[in-house]
Amino acid sequence: AQTVTQSQPEMSVQEAETVTLSCTYDTSESDYYLFWYKQPPSRQMILVIRQEAYKQQNATENRFSVNFQKAAKSFSLKISDSQLGDAAMYFCAYSNSGGGADGLTFGKGTHLIIQP
Amino acid sequence: GAVVSQHPSWVICKSGTSVKIECRSLDFQATTMFWYRQFPKQSLMLMATSNEGSKATYEQGVEKDKFLINHASLTLSTLTVTSAHPEDSSFYICSARTFSYEQYFGPGTRLTVT
Repeated sequence: AQTVTQSQPEMSVQEAETVTLSCTYDTSESDYYLFWYKQPPSRQMILVIRQEAYKQQNATENRFSVNFQKAAKSFSLKISDSQLGDAAMYFCAYSNSGGGADGLTFGKGTHLIIQP
Repeated sequence: GAVVSQHPSWVICKSGTSVKIECRSLDFQATTMFWYRQFPKQSLMLMATSNEGSKATYEQGVEKDKFLINHASLTLSTLTVTSAHPEDSSFYICSARTFSYEQYFGPGTRLTVT
């Protein structure tokens, strides 16, 4: 079974600075997808970024980018120019195939605090 | 973007009764929907995969007779918690998969069993 590990229960960053959230995973599959989801206090899950394992290029979405190290099974999220609205729980997630054809396996989450 | 709704957003029921939660994809058809459970300050755990027109697939440890899932159309899946007990109190979240394999989440349903 696949596992996802987020070793940082909580992170704090000053507004406008950069923060990196860590995620490692374990799988025997060669083709899979990795995701970062944001869950604000409203509890609505919001997709932040998605990475296909077969792509060597790291995914980017505006201020959000990932560092995908397939051999190390590492998938960290970098948030640049942090904003107050970025404060939320962040979950790293794994899917076996098809960009979400299977259900997602989530890590325990990292609570991100933005200091004004 | 694709929108998924859940109803109700919050439900309180008495121990021993059943409660139904609806998950609808509002502007797209979803052949597959997923149901997750989230306890306070914890992560989401996949409960089951719901495919339109067929039986749901349950994750190990999830009681299929307690959590009945029906996916009667391409836009609606329901989760019925039967004979609910206080330990079933939780936050239940559904997601719907598009034909291009993207997954969109509903806003969740808070279930409190007294």
